[in-house]
Amino acid sequence: GQNIDQPTEMTATEGAIVQINCTYQTSGFNGLFWYQQHAGEAPTFLSYNVLDGLEEKGRFSSFLSRSKGYSYLLLKELQMKDSASYLCAVREAAGNKLTFGGGTRVLVKP
Amino acid sequence: DAGVTQSPTHLIKTRGQHVTLRCSPISGHKSVSWYQQVLGQGPQFIFQYYEKEERGRGNFPDRFSARQFPNYSSELNVNALLLGDSALYLCASSSPTGGMNTEAFFGQGTRLTVV
Repeated sequence: GQNIDQPTEMTATEGAIVQINCTYQTSGFNGLFWYQQHAGEAPTFLSYNVLDGLEEKGRFSSFLSRSKGYSYLLLKELQMKDSASYLCAVREAAGNKLTFGGGTRVLVKP
Repeated sequence: DAGVTQSPTHLIKTRGQHVTLRCSPISGHKSVSWYQQVLGQGPQFIFQYYEKEERGRGNFPDRFSARQFPNYSSELNVNALLLGDSALYLCASSSPTGGMNTEAFFGQGTRLTVV
């Protein structure tokens, strides 16, 4: 089976940086995804990592270490609109099934 | 271009009833997956279909079933509804090749409430 852990909630100040960690234990691995989900809305794709290292996309960056079963999502220059849940998901080696963590709710304060 | 569309957006059903949820993938996408998201948790995988064939099934009882049509739209059916089936049901579609290294695009979901 698969187990994906991420913190339940984080609070940060507007303009600051927040790092959301995700650890996973899986029998197979074919990529790790980060999604953003605002309350009552669909998850929207943020980033994808399949090789070790850092992927940068504007204010958002994601890092992967396959040997450690570890990823993080870095949100820089936080804005109020970044208040949302952030979902870490692992794709199994076969098929396109995604296994999600419980999500991290980020609250950005003025 | 239209994204993934789901219908209905909200639904209230009584315990023991049956429900059908519908999903239209992004044009050209042949793979559709269904997820259940209980409030405060991450989505849980229910089914994946590709080219009208079931390619994966999550840990859900047989009361849950699905199918994919020739136009790649999909239906999720749930029989004998329980209170615990109350959740947001998300449909996701992915690339035309059903390839491995593509992200899933999610619809807005159907909010099902069982009373």
